[in-house]
Amino acid sequence: QSVLTQPPSASGTPGQRVTISCSGSSSNIGGNYVYWYQHLPGTAPKLLIYRNNQRPSGVPDRFSGSKSGTSASLAISGLRSEDEADYYCAAWDDSLRGWVFGGGTKLTVL
Amino acid sequence: EVQLVESGGGLVQPGGSLRLSCAASGFTFSSYSMNWVRQAPGKGLEWVSYIAPSSSTMYYADSVKGRFTISRDNAKNSLYLQMHSLRAEDTAVYYCARAVGKLDLDYWGQGTLVTVSS
Repeated sequence: QSVLTQPPSASGTPGQRVTISCSGSSSNIGGNYVYWYQHLPGTAPKLLIYRNNQRPSGVPDRFSGSKSGTSASLAISGLRSEDEADYYCAAWDDSLRGWVFGGGTKLTVL
Repeated sequence: EVQLVESGGGLVQPGGSLRLSCAASGFTFSSYSMNWVRQAPGKGLEWVSYIAPSSSTMYYADSVKGRFTISRDNAKNSLYLQMHSLRAEDTAVYYCARAVGKLDLDYWGQGTLVTVSS
């Protein structure tokens, strides 16, 4: 059971907008930044969003993040087939004194 | 270019030990905190351990506390994870990942597979 809660799956057709939610508590999302990662099997997880809503250089502006209270979300607009991957949210947890992750959301591009 | 390369994974019997290494390059290793994160087969990401830049502070997930030890050698730009009393549930791909203190878990390695089985 993951500390952060994400839907196990999401889907959309090319060009659509998809959002993935991430729910936590005051000790993690409520008091710290949220990060989002894209993970393809056999590869290193890639940072997509840092500090709630910032994009590292090289990440397309189709990806955006937001946070409100103890929840966060990742939005992907103009969906492409190459976006098919697993997406994880993460945050530092002050009570557990460590990083906590969501269970991951498998995105399927139909 | 930031690079993190893990090594040391393999097949080990339950109760056995293994030492993982992570070689870092492309950044000032001694300025960053480092973490180990694992992914069991078919499961999500699970944080394992954290070490501060100067090794002043270490944290562990409850699932590995007392069995795993994180360490680093800033002169060798290397991170380590000594694992003892391994269990079947420790079977996973282990990733090393860089962070800025307790922020910005940004770059990850490709991972090394640890399989605990008789």
